[in-house]
Amino acid sequence: EPEVTQTPSHQVTQMGQEVILRCVPISNHLYFYWYRQILGQKVEFLVSFYNNEISEKSEIFDDQFSVERPDGSNFTLKIRSTKLEDSAMYFCASSESEGAVTEAFFGQGTRLTVV
Amino acid sequence: AQKITQTQPGMFVQEKEAVTLDCTYDTSDPSYGLFWYKQPSSGEMIFLIYQGSYDQQNATEGRYSLNFQKARKSANLVISASQLGDSAMYFCAMREGAYSGAGSYQLTFGKGTKLSVIP
Repeated sequence: EPEVTQTPSHQVTQMGQEVILRCVPISNHLYFYWYRQILGQKVEFLVSFYNNEISEKSEIFDDQFSVERPDGSNFTLKIRSTKLEDSAMYFCASSESEGAVTEAFFGQGTRLTVV
Repeated sequence: AQKITQTQPGMFVQEKEAVTLDCTYDTSDPSYGLFWYKQPSSGEMIFLIYQGSYDQQNATEGRYSLNFQKARKSANLVISASQLGDSAMYFCAMREGAYSGAGSYQLTFGKGTKLSVIP
């Protein structure tokens, strides 16, 4: 069964460093998303991406964050100058279309720890 | 105001029994989709079931069913014949406006319910 894969599964970084979280969405999907979940809290939307551009972003997704689809398979989230409060589980998701009838499939997550 | 409310932080159920996890939502948009996801201790988010606001029948997927009461704005998840492997966090989520093609792409999640299945 096709799945969304994320690497690495866990990343530890020093405060102020840049990190890149990687995702390979399901191959025939067109819409890609990043969500995050701070430990013990609910899952929060960061950004959606379609046709090589951001289609929607939340207030959390400020200039510190950027997304890119550098090739036909990868979808990345870059966090510049990481802060302690960026520590969270980051989920990539993809869906076949944007419609309500289409579920988003999530990856297994990357746990980011900023020290 | 919270768009998705899950009032049960934690639930216990005996193995093989059925359990209902509550979810209420708040939206003024007539077109929306409701989703349930399972998050085991390993952390991944697993899609379980979907209900569209225009669907006439309640959604079912194997042991999962969604008790959709539109007038009450509730979308409770029912798990029948609970198994030990059902122990996990369960999240209700909503996507608004998507049928019109002009709505939000994002899912809005509730805070989750931690289900523990007792042998």
